[in-house]
Amino acid sequence: ETGVTQSPTHLIKTRGQQVTLRCSSQSGHNTVSWYQQALGQGPQFIFQYYREEENGRGNFPPRFSGLQFPNYSSELNVNALELDDSALYLCASSLGPVQEQYFGPGTRLTVT
Amino acid sequence: GIQVEQSPPDLILQEGANSTLRCNFSDSVNNLQWFHQNPWGQLINLFYIPSGTKQNGRLSATTVATERYSLLYISSSQTTDSGVYFCAGGTGNQFYFGTGTSLTVIP
Repeated sequence: ETGVTQSPTHLIKTRGQQVTLRCSSQSGHNTVSWYQQALGQGPQFIFQYYREEENGRGNFPPRFSGLQFPNYSSELNVNALELDDSALYLCASSLGPVQEQYFGPGTRLTVT
Repeated sequence: GIQVEQSPPDLILQEGANSTLRCNFSDSVNNLQWFHQNPWGQLINLFYIPSGTKQNGRLSATTVATERYSLLYISSSQTTDSGVYFCAGGTGNQFYFGTGTSLTVIP
């Protein structure tokens, strides 16, 4: 059984650019959640996708958007990058919205 | 949103010692997990424990849902237990993390 995978591992972007991060959910999981973890802090919930629909959103601006595909993999898109967007981005998959979450290894984004 | 308070923020232990980490929630949650974050950032699942008590080797956890707190016990600590421990919980479609407990186990 394949676990949660994320790509790319590391990414460097310039302020104002756009970025797309990808997440493949664990086999059989229909829910993907995305988190942002700044250095020295706990992860912050960005949003959750359940069966291809956004199912909940944290306190993040609209320039953070996402998609979930029929195979339940997911993308996180961030437009108009700011320096404060530099962080570790984590995705997690689960069997449903209120089930145990399993995390991928993360994508480390640096905005210069 | 729900506030999650973890204590202590930092903990230094001698190898072989026992410890208790605590997590308080500002409101009821129906979905609660404990994680260990390794130095590369990977969150490792320790327990899924919305209520009750579970044990896995030297680790155990107890959640008292009616009082909105959870405890993680580490017995006979080893240097490999070092790292940051997070609790997280939520209701429905949101999930809130605490700020973590940074554990250092010295030989």
